[in-house]
Amino acid sequence: RKEVEQDPGPFNVPEGATVAFNCTYSNSASQSFFWYRQDCRKEPKLLMSVYSSGNEDGRFTAQLNRASQYISLLIRDSKLSDSATYLCVVNPTGNQFYFGTGTSLTVIP
Amino acid sequence: DGGITQSPKYLFRKEGQNVTLSCEQNLNHDAMYWYRQDPGQGLRLIYYSQIVNDFQKGDIAEGYSVSREKKESFPLTVTSAQKNPTAFYLCASSPLRQGLTSGANVLTFGAGSRLTVL
Repeated sequence: RKEVEQDPGPFNVPEGATVAFNCTYSNSASQSFFWYRQDCRKEPKLLMSVYSSGNEDGRFTAQLNRASQYISLLIRDSKLSDSATYLCVVNPTGNQFYFGTGTSLTVIP
Repeated sequence: DGGITQSPKYLFRKEGQNVTLSCEQNLNHDAMYWYRQDPGQGLRLIYYSQIVNDFQKGDIAEGYSVSREKKESFPLTVTSAQKNPTAFYLCASSPLRQGLTSGANVLTFGAGSRLTVL
């Protein structure tokens, strides 16, 4: 079983739509969780850390469900500039990071 | 500005040649990592280092070597023993400090090096 699993998509949504991605993880003792954004042929960049209580940053909301071992990312009012691949990252211990394969999002005019 | 610098950005190699990818960070981070990314796959860990003069193999270390002589630098050598070296190589660093709050041990990436074997 993979440490982290994501639906690869692709998700094609119209501008202004709301879209949600989920990511499941296998290590129940994992402590830290992140969403990264990766543009084509670029490096991943941190979008949000995910906290137990859930957190919001503008149009983006991240949530953690420890009981079901998944994290989610919700994007409201999608913009063309949101088109990218979104990577789920789990940090079970200090020096281990496990990556999902990424979910591809294309926002259509 | 603090960050991670990788070079070269693009590199072409003939079969049988070793090549070294540079990674330098000025974030004062203790831990540094090398990942490989192939199309349709998640990032896979090659090597990581938590302190100077110490490093550990990741999931796909065969055919690669590293050194950590300085805190700021973590070069990766792709040797001729690596059978399929064409890939996007990403260097990253993290604070790895004791007592960090959850979510604070964040990975920061360099811009990557794209290696193509001719």
